[in-house]
Amino acid sequence: GNSVTQMEGPVTLSEEAFLTINCTYTATGYPSLFWYVQYPGEGLQLLLKATKADDKGSNKGFEATYRKETTSFHLEKGSVQVSDSAVYFCALILSNTGNQFYFGTGTSLTVIP
Amino acid sequence: KAGVTQTPRYLIKTRGQQVTLSCSPISGHRSVSWYQQTPGQGLQFLFEYFSETQRNKGNFPGRFSGRQFSNSRSEMNVSTLELGDSALYLCASSLVPGNYGYTFGSGTRLTVV
Repeated sequence: GNSVTQMEGPVTLSEEAFLTINCTYTATGYPSLFWYVQYPGEGLQLLLKATKADDKGSNKGFEATYRKETTSFHLEKGSVQVSDSAVYFCALILSNTGNQFYFGTGTSLTVIP
Repeated sequence: KAGVTQTPRYLIKTRGQQVTLSCSPISGHRSVSWYQQTPGQGLQFLFEYFSETQRNKGNFPGRFSGRQFSNSRSEMNVSTLELGDSALYLCASSLVPGNYGYTFGSGTRLTVV
């Protein structure tokens, strides 16, 4: 089946620290991969995406590379800010499953000054 | 341009009642998907609509239903509410199915008491 496994949280970092949130996937085909961010009381905001192997998605200092050989899409940021505190969701979508997202369980990040 | 609008933002219902949630997609978007978010189960796909037709359905009981109107607005209905239906219900819209430019709304927080 199709699924996404995300690093368990919560994660607490000091401002300017390096962030990695691990994400691996299982898919019956060639998925597109996404990172979404959710701030308290809000919906999901697209952070970045990659649609094929070796693509790198990047946005607001975050980046993730689609690694087909390791079925991974780890999220990284070189220097986190307090404003990055949120819950991060890794997700995949496959056109042959009717375009539904399969989400990971989410990783809560808190950045302290 | 306006984003995805979900109404109401908050709702409290009693067990056994029914509820209708509304989603207005971004202008020009014709595909609407619904997701349920709970602390225990995470984000789960409910259904997807395009051109007033349900194209895909997740693994939810028949108490969960939806529809899409000719102006692409969508509603979902939950009948005979159970305590476990308490969740954040998120709607996402895209131009057409398979176009991965999905935009999520802020959600409707349903509490069943």
